[in-house]
Amino acid sequence: DAKTTQPTSMDCAEGRAANLPCNHSTISGNEYVYWYRQIHSQGPQYIIHGLKNNETNEMASLIITEDRKSSTLILPHATLRDTAVYYCIVRVLPISSGSARQLTFGSGTQLTVLP
Amino acid sequence: EAQVTQNPRYLITVTGKKLTVTCSQNMNHEYMSWYRQDPGLGLRQIYYSMNVEVTDKGDVPEGYKVSRKEKRNFPLILESPSPNQTSLYFCASSTGTVVSNYGYTFGSGTRLTVV
Repeated sequence: DAKTTQPTSMDCAEGRAANLPCNHSTISGNEYVYWYRQIHSQGPQYIIHGLKNNETNEMASLIITEDRKSSTLILPHATLRDTAVYYCIVRVLPISSGSARQLTFGSGTQLTVLP
Repeated sequence: EAQVTQNPRYLITVTGKKLTVTCSQNMNHEYMSWYRQDPGLGLRQIYYSMNVEVTDKGDVPEGYKVSRKEKRNFPLILESPSPNQTSLYFCASSTGTVVSNYGYTFGSGTRLTVV
């Protein structure tokens, strides 16, 4: 799986958009970009994933550059409850029963939403 | 509610005393996995299971056992716990070999202290 690079920490004002970048310059054509977050000591929570098109759900938007070497997770109106570590993960989808692919979590970005 | 349930949430035990951390999911997921999380080391996979009676080692399996006798349950067994197994443990599940649109679902975690 491709390696990802994220800033160690970011701050965002409550109510503003939080834009979390991720670099994955070695991503290959069949690898997806996944985002998870972990609120202090809780289990990681899936946010969104995408392959090449921009994606949006009720939690966030995912913008993937045309060359797919980087992406940005956008929380449109950050709240205090969005304070968490955000992980960008790049991986293929398992294609056979013998190829269980674990999620490899890096260090992530500590997002702090300030009141 | 779709969820992964781990028990106990907190456990303090003594070296060498066998213990089991239970994990149960109600989503009929085929794939289940155990992770441990340690400061500075992130989340590391211990064992995973592709389906009933099918288990395999992750990155850090030493000192752990698992079983998958039923689809919904995936207990983590520490036959002879040692202090270096003091950690925060997470169970996760997912649908089969093709990750669902919602990725992996994680439990709330078990904080284990071995003294």
